[in-house]
Amino acid sequence: QQQVKQSPQSLIVQKGGISIINCAYENTAFDYFPWYQQFPGKGPALLIAIRPDVSEKKEGRFTISFNKSAKQFSLHIMDSQPGDSATYFCAAVSFSRKIIFGKGTRLHILP
Amino acid sequence: DAGVIQSPRHEVTEMGQEVTLRCKPISGHNSLFWYRQTMMRGLELLIYFNNNVPIDDSGMPEDRFSAKMPNASFSTLKIQPSEPRDSAVYFCASSFGHNTGELFFGEGSRLTVL
Repeated sequence: QQQVKQSPQSLIVQKGGISIINCAYENTAFDYFPWYQQFPGKGPALLIAIRPDVSEKKEGRFTISFNKSAKQFSLHIMDSQPGDSATYFCAAVSFSRKIIFGKGTRLHILP
Repeated sequence: DAGVIQSPRHEVTEMGQEVTLRCKPISGHNSLFWYRQTMMRGLELLIYFNNNVPIDDSGMPEDRFSAKMPNASFSTLKIQPSEPRDSAVYFCASSFGHNTGELFFGEGSRLTVL
């Protein structure tokens, strides 16, 4: 069974700090790795995504780091703000076009 | 631009009743997904349509669940009979292309079965 393991389950960061969320996958049958952000009462929204031929992608304060050999990828939020408080999901899309989501990380940024 | 539209936003029903959730995908999107979200299990894919045809329904829990997509602008997810363990938030999402991984989610339908 293909899985994407996400950690930590919850995270508390001071305003201005760096938030780091990690994900790992178990096989190499994935070719696209999106991250989604979900606010309470809303649906998940695509935040940033990366393909495995790239080791890093940055969009504003959000950066994905990808380690293909270790089968790991992570989301870094620089200068974290209270408005970043949300649940974050990593995901992996397989060659057969199946999307596997991690279990999510509840991020709380202290003001 | 209108996003994915789901109805109802909230539904409270009694065990044994039929529940129908509705979804209107973004115009021009040809893939539609139904997900269920719970604290315990996270986001689970129930069924995925491409060009109105069910492609993967392996996530549909059991025969009590059924989904239809009669045309490109409408889909339903039906639970009959409903059970308390079906209580969850059900999301519909759409995307352009064949499951690119870039999904646009609706705001969800929160179902409570008493």
